[in-house]
Amino acid sequence: EDKVVQSPLSLVVHEGDTVTLNCSYEVTNFRSLLWYKQEKKAPTFLFMLTSSGIEKKSGRLSSILDKKELFSILNITATQTGDSAVYLCAVEEGTNAGKSTFGDGTTLTVKP
Amino acid sequence: DGGITQSPKYLFRKEGQNVTLSCEQNLNHDAMYWYRQDPGQGLRLIYYSQIVNDFQKGDIAEGYSVSREKKESFPLTVTSAQKNPTAFYLCASSTAGGPRTGELFFGEGSRLTVL
Repeated sequence: EDKVVQSPLSLVVHEGDTVTLNCSYEVTNFRSLLWYKQEKKAPTFLFMLTSSGIEKKSGRLSSILDKKELFSILNITATQTGDSAVYLCAVEEGTNAGKSTFGDGTTLTVKP
Repeated sequence: DGGITQSPKYLFRKEGQNVTLSCEQNLNHDAMYWYRQDPGQGLRLIYYSQIVNDFQKGDIAEGYSVSREKKESFPLTVTSAQKNPTAFYLCASSTAGGPRTGELFFGEGSRLTVL
């Protein structure tokens, strides 16, 4: 059974701090790893990672994948209160493209 | 604007009643999905469909049913056989081919409460 584990489960920081969110996975057949941000209801897409060692970056957010260690991290620098959300990691199967297994998420709270 | 519309946003039902959640998309996506989210947990896959008139069970399909008669629509029925139906339900869609099949586009969700 495919498994995705995120850590920490929750995190409280102050504005301006840098945070690192972790995602480890065990899947039979890997196609991609994805990060989503869920603020209230609908998760929104952040990154898709398919190759090891290639950093994806968008503003203050960045992510990298290690396919040997079965691990990904999401970094957020200079955090703002608007970064407060649940961050979800998902792994897409190779045999059923689109079918993804999600972790339980990391709840990030950024205090002013 | 292209997107996914779920309705209703909030729904209450009595035990023993079936209820159908609507999901419509105008993104021209072939694949559609239903996920369930419980408090403090991630998303668990109920059913998915990669083409019209075809669908597959996900990890927690028991007590649920779906249909895919049109590309744009993927309704989910929560039956009385579902033992713990109170939850937040998310519908999503994606392309069915190419490199970005894993990128899911989500609706705003439907919160079902069983009284």
